Amino acid sequence: DTGVSQDPRHKITKRGQNVTFRCDPISEHNRLYWYRQTLGQGPEFLTYFQNEAQLEKSRLLSDRFSAERPKGSFSTLEIQRTEQGDSAMYLCASSLPGEGYGYTFGSGTRLTVV
Amino acid sequence: QKEVEQDPGPLSVPEGAIVSLNCTYSNSAFQYFMWYRQYSRKGPELLMYTYSSGNKEDGRFTAQVDKSSKYISLFIRDSQPSDSATYLCAIGFQKLVFGTGTRLLVSP
Repeated sequence: DTGVSQDPRHKITKRGQNVTFRCDPISEHNRLYWYRQTLGQGPEFLTYFQNEAQLEKSRLLSDRFSAERPKGSFSTLEIQRTEQGDSAMYLCASSLPGEGYGYTFGSGTRLTVV
Repeated sequence: QKEVEQDPGPLSVPEGAIVSLNCTYSNSAFQYFMWYRQYSRKGPELLMYTYSSGNKEDGRFTAQVDKSSKYISLFIRDSQPSDSATYLCAIGFQKLVFGTGTRLLVSP
């Protein structure tokens, strides 16, 4: 296992289109997190899962955003009706349950909405 | 007021210098304090974490937490050009709150 994998690395989409990102965590990690990072800012928490259960969602995660982790392994983050303000790096991370301080991040998916 | 404040830099130093990076935070309930390093176009990488107050050392890196002042620091000794990156402080557990990051440039 080489770490947290995110796909695609880059996505350019037109405003109003839907996009979906995928994250494959480290196999033995049952906690999975999504963050968003804009230029010049630190990552902002979006949501996290323990196995397939979504335990917390940020108010940043509007109704246009939905995240799933159907079998407790990989996760998807979908953004519907994209807006220019959605342009950002979307980061996925995973950890063991007792290591909520020690995330392993993926390299992120950079979304550009034109 | 942001929960975590961090000077965005950039901070430029010559190779071999001692670097001091700092953050302040507002919520005294936090117990875990982390430093991440982020290279361009990469995800953050955990450097060190500290639980509660005190110091922690790992090679050239030392993390300090002063809970009475709500102040956290990362010191890098004998800085190298390969240390050039953005350094992010983070606090919390499970749901982390990050600073904006400080961009560090170490020139040969």
